Amino acid sequence: EAQVTQNPRYLITVTGKKLTVTCSQNMNHEYMSWYRQDPGLGLRQIYYSMNVEVTDKGDVPEGYKVSRKEKRNFPLILESPSPNQTSLYFCASSLSMSPYEQYFGPGTRLTVT
Amino acid sequence: EDQVTQSPEALRLQEGESSSLNCSYTVSGLRGLFWYRQDPGKGPEFLFTLYSAGEEKEKERLKATLTKKESFLHITAPKPEDSATYLCAVQASGYSTLTFGKGTMLLVSP
Repeated sequence: EAQVTQNPRYLITVTGKKLTVTCSQNMNHEYMSWYRQDPGLGLRQIYYSMNVEVTDKGDVPEGYKVSRKEKRNFPLILESPSPNQTSLYFCASSLSMSPYEQYFGPGTRLTVT
Repeated sequence: EDQVTQSPEALRLQEGESSSLNCSYTVSGLRGLFWYRQDPGKGPEFLFTLYSAGEEKEKERLKATLTKKESFLHITAPKPEDSATYLCAVQASGYSTLTFGKGTMLLVSP
């Protein structure tokens, strides 16, 4: 089954404790992206990758890191999480090197206390 | 700065009562406009891509149209299963990022 998977689905952590949210797709997609979704603010793009070893900032990259060492994986790293990073996070992928017809993962709900 | 404004924020319809959702956008050269559907607790699901003014696309009870300043998502004879939040997003020419609107929450009552 074609899908985007994220882990963990739910995470409660404390300020400053480094964490990684994994994202994997099994569709051989070129483009992958991370978004956060907050009430009243909608979906905002954090980082994206057009191919292996090619990443770039979206609209809200501060406090986040990404890497794309393999085509299928695109982990999101929070080196020192803060409460303002409490949010619902989505990973997405697209066949082309552009955000067309993106497939979204199920989401990761992160709470930073 | 690219901007996407969706209206109304929420819409309640009776089953069979057709209506339209609006997505107004400001972008420096439109590369593509996208519609997604999002069910509670799930990731968005792709519906349509529109590239140029005058273009229309249909899928079951949904029809998306595009002008130079806005897009409409027309819902014909909706059913309760059409209840969801509908998201609009734009991609500007020369960029690989997307700007999303805040969505329209649609509730269709039987």
